[in-house]
Amino acid sequence: AQSVTQLGSHVSVSEGALVLLRCNYSSSVPPYLFWYVQYPNQGLQLLLKYTSAATLVKGINGFEAEFKKSETSFHLTKPSAHMSDAAEYFCAVTSSRRQLIFGTGTLLAVQP
Amino acid sequence: EAGVVQSPRYKIIEKKQPVAFWCNPISGHNTLYWYLQNLGQGPELLIRYENEEAVDDSQLPKDRFSAERLKGVDSTLKIQPAELGDSAVYLCASSLGQGGTGELFFGEGSRLTVL
Repeated sequence: AQSVTQLGSHVSVSEGALVLLRCNYSSSVPPYLFWYVQYPNQGLQLLLKYTSAATLVKGINGFEAEFKKSETSFHLTKPSAHMSDAAEYFCAVTSSRRQLIFGTGTLLAVQP
Repeated sequence: EAGVVQSPRYKIIEKKQPVAFWCNPISGHNTLYWYLQNLGQGPELLIRYENEEAVDDSQLPKDRFSAERLKGVDSTLKIQPAELGDSAVYLCASSLGQGGTGELFFGEGSRLTVL
């Protein structure tokens, strides 16, 4: 069965610092992987997705993620954090039944 | 273009009362999803529709939950009777394709509090 594990339910960084949010996946088939962002009191919004093309995927708002098969990882990064990046981030994988399986989320806080 | 619209945004009821949530997907999106999001957790799929057909409802607690998508557009999710443990955010999403490789567009959610 497919699943994702997000390491760290809370991450705090200073404004301008590197953002690194970790996601490891488990999948018996080549996975499709996603990162979604949820701002307070809003629905989820797609940041980026990996669908077996380039392993380095660029998304919106300066975020990117790298698919590493050997490490079963799909970590999300951003070189320089903005205050507006404060939100909850969810990693997700597509199951064999074509439904999205979400991780438990990582709440990102950005300190001034 | 309008996004996915859900109502009500907030609902407070007493246990054993019924409650219904409504969702209007993005125009032209044939696939519609209802997700449950508990506090501190990721969304979990309750039911997925392709047009008016429920193609995956294996995680919908059918003893108290029901859903419908008449005419393959709007959808309603109902809980009757509600229990304390049903307090959560109910998210509706839609997609143009079947969701496996496509992007899901989410509404803002309906937050249910059961007292």
